[in-house]
Amino acid sequence: AQRVTQPEKLLSVFKGAPVELKCNYSYSGSPELFWYVQYSRQRLQLLLRHISRESIKGFTADLNKGETSFHLKKPFAQEEDSAMYYCALSGYTGNQFYFGTGTSLTVIP
Amino acid sequence: DAGVTQSPTHLIKTRGQHVTLRCSPISGHKSVSWYQQVLGQGPQFIFQYYEKEERGRGNFPDRFSARQFPNYSSELNVNALLLGDSALYLCASSDPGLNTEAFFGQGTRLTVV
Repeated sequence: AQRVTQPEKLLSVFKGAPVELKCNYSYSGSPELFWYVQYSRQRLQLLLRHISRESIKGFTADLNKGETSFHLKKPFAQEEDSAMYYCALSGYTGNQFYFGTGTSLTVIP
Repeated sequence: DAGVTQSPTHLIKTRGQHVTLRCSPISGHKSVSWYQQVLGQGPQFIFQYYEKEERGRGNFPDRFSARQFPNYSSELNVNALLLGDSALYLCASSDPGLNTEAFFGQGTRLTVV
C-alpha cells in the first residue's frame, strides 16, 4: 500500500535561513512524487514534481529511491514561503494522489 | 478560465441525510478526482473519473459514490451521512494526455450535525 509521511506538522525558520521539509514514502512500484502548497486563503496548487527536476520559487526536491525520500529544500527562506506544504505521490499517470499530512511552514521576519 | 469550480462552498447537513457535491473542471480537462480533507490531515483520495468512467477508488465505504457527465463535470454523492463525514471535499481536474498536474478547486466545506 502507498503511504506518504511528513514527520513535522509545524516548522518555523527565520527569514534567510535554510529550510528543509521532510517527506518519506512507501510504494511498491515506481511512483511520481510531488510537492503541493497551499497559501493562506488560496487553493492547493502544484509547487514541483520530481520528473521535472526544476526549481520553483527557489525550492528543489531530489528523489532518493534508496531512502524513499523526497525532501523539499530552499537555501534562503522568505516570508512569502509561509504556507502549508503537502508531499504527494501518484502511481498512475493521471489524477490519483496520495498525500502526507502536511507541514505548516512559518518564516519569521 | 475560472479554474476548477465547486458548489456549494459550504453545506450543513443532519446525520442520516444525503448530500450531492458538484464540480466543474477546467475547460478541456477530461479527468476529475475527488478528495476528502479532514481537519489537520492531508487530502485523501476518494474517486477518479476519466471520460465518464471510474478509473480509481480510494478506501471509502459504499455510501460514497460519484459520476461524471458528458461535459466532464462531476458529482460526489454521500448517503446516510455520519458525523465523521464532516470535512473539506476537494475536486481536482487534469488532462492525463498532457501532464500529471492536477488543478484543485476551492473545496466544499461539509458539516454534519
